[in-house]
Amino acid sequence: QQQVKQSPQSLIVQKGGISIINCAYENTAFDYFPWYQQFPGKGPALLIAIRPDVSEKKEGRFTISFNKSAKQFSLHIMDSQPGDSATYFCAATTSGTYKYIFGTGTRLKVLA
Amino acid sequence: NAGVMQNPRHLVRRRGQEARLRCSPMKGHSHVYWYRQLPEEGLKFMVYLQKENIIDESGMPKERFSAEFPKEGPSILRIQQVVRGDSAAYFCASSPRGGGADTEAFFGQGTRLTVV
Repeated sequence: QQQVKQSPQSLIVQKGGISIINCAYENTAFDYFPWYQQFPGKGPALLIAIRPDVSEKKEGRFTISFNKSAKQFSLHIMDSQPGDSATYFCAATTSGTYKYIFGTGTRLKVLA
Repeated sequence: NAGVMQNPRHLVRRRGQEARLRCSPMKGHSHVYWYRQLPEEGLKFMVYLQKENIIDESGMPKERFSAEFPKEGPSILRIQQVVRGDSAAYFCASSPRGGGADTEAFFGQGTRLTVV
């Protein structure tokens, strides 16, 4: 119930391509879904987040698509760059709480 | 405004020793969270503290682990009698208020604990 399932585990994309990472959840009480980017040796940094009252949110080259009925959300990275190579984590939490439930991460490598 | 500061960045302990991990939250933040990241896994919630109070320690192992956030000074995660399975990256996050949604938690760079 509390899990967030993330796929794929790893992803290789050519420079300029689209990177797509998917997450699925079970707990319908979740109402905040952030994505974090983590570079080796660093802490996770918030990339973009969405609430379930919208189906899509875009910030620059990063877009979250949200499907409430399917309980799925995904991160799209347009025009992927080598500098985007990092591990990406989806997460979910519930208003009024403080626990982020993280996915297991996707290691993205963008080839130059 | 400095970010969340964790020290040490790397810590090596022999089995049976104690590990003390420190976290100074961002200025103005009074809510601190500790997460553990095992190799090739996501972050797992351990404990949530406010100044001088443990709010939720449901993710903490029952034995050997403790956390505090005193009125003055950093938050401390303490692991007694470390075992090899404690080897992980421990991340601290802070926020200006609790509440989850729309309350961004800022993460530190982590302490990588290696038990030999």
